[in-house]
Amino acid sequence: GAGVSQTPSNKVTEKGKYVELRCDPISGHTALYWYRQSLGQGPEFLIYFQGTGAADDSGLPNDRFFAVRPEGSVSTLKIQRTERGDSAVYLCASSRDRSTEAFFGQGTRLTVV
Amino acid sequence: DQQVKQNSPSLSVQEGRISILNCDYTNSMFDYFLWYKKYPAEGPTFLISISSIKDKNEDGRFTVFLNKSAKHLSLHIVPSQPGDSAVYFCAASALNTGNQFYFGTGTSLTVIP
Repeated sequence: GAGVSQTPSNKVTEKGKYVELRCDPISGHTALYWYRQSLGQGPEFLIYFQGTGAADDSGLPNDRFFAVRPEGSVSTLKIQRTERGDSAVYLCASSRDRSTEAFFGQGTRLTVV
Repeated sequence: DQQVKQNSPSLSVQEGRISILNCDYTNSMFDYFLWYKKYPAEGPTFLISISSIKDKNEDGRFTVFLNKSAKHLSLHIVPSQPGDSAVYFCAASALNTGNQFYFGTGTSLTVIP
């Protein structure tokens, strides 16, 4: 596809379970970002990849959160032992490089019950 | 600490008139600014950007103005159309020192037909 694709679009999980959220960036984009957006707030930075490596993971809230991008394209955000406070829309974005605008996917709405 | 602020949570404008959305920032290292538009249940869509070497950038009905001394930017939409009704987010980054975009909390624009 032409845009950033995120799957699933909605995920409901029980507290304590493990979840994986997937992001397919725009082809050829080397930079990939994960953001989290709560109701009434702007997107908050989680992690940035340049190619395969996590160049900046300073936004990850704790060690339950982890993300990978093994081949420099698709990325997976992994959340262990989910908590109700993890409920939010998780947004992925990609850009040609760090100095250009980022294009967002439609997001994955995660609900932890 | 919110480094990018949008102090107006909502704005209503008559169709055909000008919409002015405002954004303030606190970090003097920010040198790249963007505006995104977001419809419900969709990810943010890139609208327009400006780098700190300019004070104005125009794209069709959308113009962004940057006042570096005041640490203020604004988005002008002329003429406003009902399809412009959405939440608008301002974002900023420091390309030389950081990897993330910092977002404001958004302004919900309603264009009244």
